[in-house]
Amino acid sequence: DAGVTQSPTHLIKTRGQQVTLRCSPKSGHDTVSWYQQALGQGPQFIFQYYEEEERQRGNFPDRFSGHQFPNYSSELNVNALLLGDSALYLCASSLFGTLAGGQETQYFGPGTRLLVL
Amino acid sequence: AQTVTQSQPEMSVQEAETVTLSCTYDTSESDYYLFWYKQPPSRQMILVIRQEAYKQQNATENRFSVNFQKAAKSFSLKISDSQLGDAAMYFCAAPKNTGNQFYFGTGTSLTVIP
Repeated sequence: DAGVTQSPTHLIKTRGQQVTLRCSPKSGHDTVSWYQQALGQGPQFIFQYYEEEERQRGNFPDRFSGHQFPNYSSELNVNALLLGDSALYLCASSLFGTLAGGQETQYFGPGTRLLVL
Repeated sequence: AQTVTQSQPEMSVQEAETVTLSCTYDTSESDYYLFWYKQPPSRQMILVIRQEAYKQQNATENRFSVNFQKAAKSFSLKISDSQLGDAAMYFCAAPKNTGNQFYFGTGTSLTVIP
């Protein structure tokens, strides 16, 4: 049973460029959440996708956008990259649930390390 | 503001000893999950343990257990018989009041001393 996978593992971009990160959820999961983790900090919620729709969004600008496909995989797009976008981007998958938090247990992928020069 | 607080930026423990990591959170929900995650230097987030807030019994997973105090909104992680492989950052996560997202604390860096 494959866990959560993310690609690419590392990425180097320059300011102003655009980047697309990809995530495949754990088998059987229908919900994908994206997090940004700066060095030395905890993960910060970007947004969550369920049934191909953005269900919830954290405090991130519109430069951050996403998509979920019918097979539940997801993409995170970041436009007009800034130096401050350098971080580890984590994808987490889960089953959509009814308790607060709206989901069952999240399982994380290995992350994509983005460096913006 | 809604927060998850981990008041111990760094902790250390002797191998085979017990250590407790603290976490407090703020939510007005009554039914929810709480999580502890471990992040080793590889930075892969690994689920350690989950507590269901509607259950009074504290969760246990092998050497890991929690002390969940719902009224106090406290959720500490106890690691027994600490091993060198337990060295990592530990993050506590709790749900936002509304909507489908979790807040993470700032983490506790655990060092295990041989």
